Amino acid sequence: EAGVAQSPRYKIIEKRQSVAFWCNPISGHATLYWYQQILGQGPKLLIQFQNNGVVDDSQLPKDRFSAERLKGVDSTLKIQPAKLEDSAVYLCASSSRDATNYGYTFGSGTRLTVV
Amino acid sequence: GQSLEQPSEVTAVEGAIVQINCTYQTSGFYGLSWYQQHDGGAPTFLSYNGLDGLEETGRFSSFLSRSDSYGYLLLQELQMKDSASYFCAVRDSSSASKIIFGSGTRLSIRP
Repeated sequence: EAGVAQSPRYKIIEKRQSVAFWCNPISGHATLYWYQQILGQGPKLLIQFQNNGVVDDSQLPKDRFSAERLKGVDSTLKIQPAKLEDSAVYLCASSSRDATNYGYTFGSGTRLTVV
Repeated sequence: GQSLEQPSEVTAVEGAIVQINCTYQTSGFYGLSWYQQHDGGAPTFLSYNGLDGLEETGRFSSFLSRSDSYGYLLLQELQMKDSASYFCAVRDSSSASKIIFGSGTRLSIRP
């Protein structure tokens, strides 16, 4: 099966600019996650979708970050305006609701550098 | 809330065995997972323990003791390609499908 697709792979922007990331999960996976991974740290959950509804966005900085998953498939994550501390890898992951191995499949991520 | 502790770095010799420990604190527990991440790559799922005991998958094994809130990942017959970061993760008590990750253990393999 095809994996989780993310684009772009790399992005460099200046602070206060906006940026958007795109994710296409594995076909049929109802649950989609966006994680932020700062260098040297573990992934931190930003938002979780079940189909096209938000399940958890408690750690999403809503003053600058937004995410949507229209039609329950693709998702976009936006940052506006970006700050220096937003420099990180943004990982998208998906899982089937009844996954027996309880594992996520991650995309390759988007490495964001804010200068 | 949840917290996980694991060593930040471990070094081992090619062909040897290494154990990466993880202790956790959770308000509810749905299982302990392990992920591997090579530099610049995506985390990849290695194993899951929902019950006490040892799970074996090839050269990798994972152990869980729920009474001790402790688990470990055991890597045998180490190969250079095993050099990576390893993350333990627990399922969040509020949502069994949400995973919280530890800060990771960077494993370096020496020839």
